[in-house]
Amino acid sequence: EAQVTQNPRYLITVTGKKLTVTCSQNMNHEYMSWYRQDPGLGLRQIYYSMNVEVTDKGDVPEGYKVSRKEKRNFPLILESPSPNQTSLYFCASSLSPTYSYEQYFGPGTRLTVT
Amino acid sequence: AQSVTQPDIHITVSEGASLELRCNYSYGATPYLFWYVQSPGQGLQLLLKYFSGDTLVQGIKGFEAEFKRSQSSFNLRKPSVHWSDAAEYFCAVYDYKLSFGAGTTVTVRA
Repeated sequence: EAQVTQNPRYLITVTGKKLTVTCSQNMNHEYMSWYRQDPGLGLRQIYYSMNVEVTDKGDVPEGYKVSRKEKRNFPLILESPSPNQTSLYFCASSLSPTYSYEQYFGPGTRLTVT
Repeated sequence: AQSVTQPDIHITVSEGASLELRCNYSYGATPYLFWYVQSPGQGLQLLLKYFSGDTLVQGIKGFEAEFKRSQSSFNLRKPSVHWSDAAEYFCAVYDYKLSFGAGTTVTVRA
């Protein structure tokens, strides 16, 4: 089954404790992206990647890191999480940057930072 | 920069009644427009998209949307709502990246 998976689905952590949210897709997609969803703000893009080893900042990149060492994986790293990063996070992928308007979304990761 | 406004934060509709969700966009050229749905605990799923041509587009799950350039709108409609349509709906515009509206939560009452 074609899908985007994220782990963990739920995470509660404390301020400053480094964490990684994994994202994997099995569709051989070139383009991958991370979003955060906050009430009243919709989805905002954090980082995106057009292909392996090619990443770039989205609209709200501060406090986040990403890497793209393999085509299928695109982890999101919070080196020192803070309470304002409490949010619902989505990973998404699309066939290529040219088709980045049609994205397949993972189920989401709900992160709480206390 | 492109942007999308969804004026309604929350809509409640009775099962079997019609539904219309509003979306207004700001974009200089002909926009690529989308509607996504997020069911509880799920990721976003593409309902329909508009690139050009016929201004009335059909999507999945019985949804349709109409593009009106004069009103800068792309409203989503469904003639008869089912309880499973309770979800959050996002309108989005594409200009080398997707920009989403704030979303409209739909509650369906029996």
